[in-house]
Amino acid sequence: SQTIHQWPATLVQPVGSPLSLECTVEGTSNPNLYWYRQAAGRGLQLLFYSVGIGQISSEVPQNLSASRPQDRQFILSSKKLLLSDSGFYLCAWSVKGPTNTEAFFGQGTRLTVV
Amino acid sequence: AQSVAQPEDQVNVAEGNPLTVKCTYSVSGNPYLFWYVQYPNRGLQFLLKYITGDNLVKGSYGFEAEFNKSQTSFHLKKPSALVSDSALYFCAVRELNTGGFKTIFGAGTRLFVKA
Repeated sequence: SQTIHQWPATLVQPVGSPLSLECTVEGTSNPNLYWYRQAAGRGLQLLFYSVGIGQISSEVPQNLSASRPQDRQFILSSKKLLLSDSGFYLCAWSVKGPTNTEAFFGQGTRLTVV
Repeated sequence: AQSVAQPEDQVNVAEGNPLTVKCTYSVSGNPYLFWYVQYPNRGLQFLLKYITGDNLVKGSYGFEAEFNKSQTSFHLKKPSALVSDSALYFCAVRELNTGGFKTIFGAGTRLFVKA
């Protein structure tokens, strides 16, 4: 069966420090991968999505970047964190092909920038 | 562009009573609709989806959703609520005009089930 791992679960970082959040998927090949941010326990904002290795699409201009160095690995990064980067970050994957497939989410990373 | 709206920030219901969480959508073409649930400090879990076929879709944990094309709605329902159903619920639509791989989420509705 497929599983998605996301770490760390919580992170407290000072303003101006770098960030690296990692997400890996097991049990499937060539998935679509996503990074979402959830503010204040409410709606999800799509940050990045990827349809293949090295292929990243950014949804909103921001202080963050994403990379997909391997088929089932998706990394969210920042060179210098801002206070506004605080939030709950969720990685997700979905099967390619039919457009009606649901997304499967990791457990999330709560990032607090201080 | 596709969008979903969840008109209620919060729904309160007594345990054992039926519950409804509302969702309306706007799409061009046939909608692909989803419901997800989120428990505190956790990722989202898939509940059910509507693609085509019967307007009443059954999903996990006794939940079901009714697709109504004329009202562009996809309300989540459960005949008898449990305290453990208390969580944040998201309606979502798949955006088709970009290859089908973007899911647009509503703002979420917080469900409180009181014992």
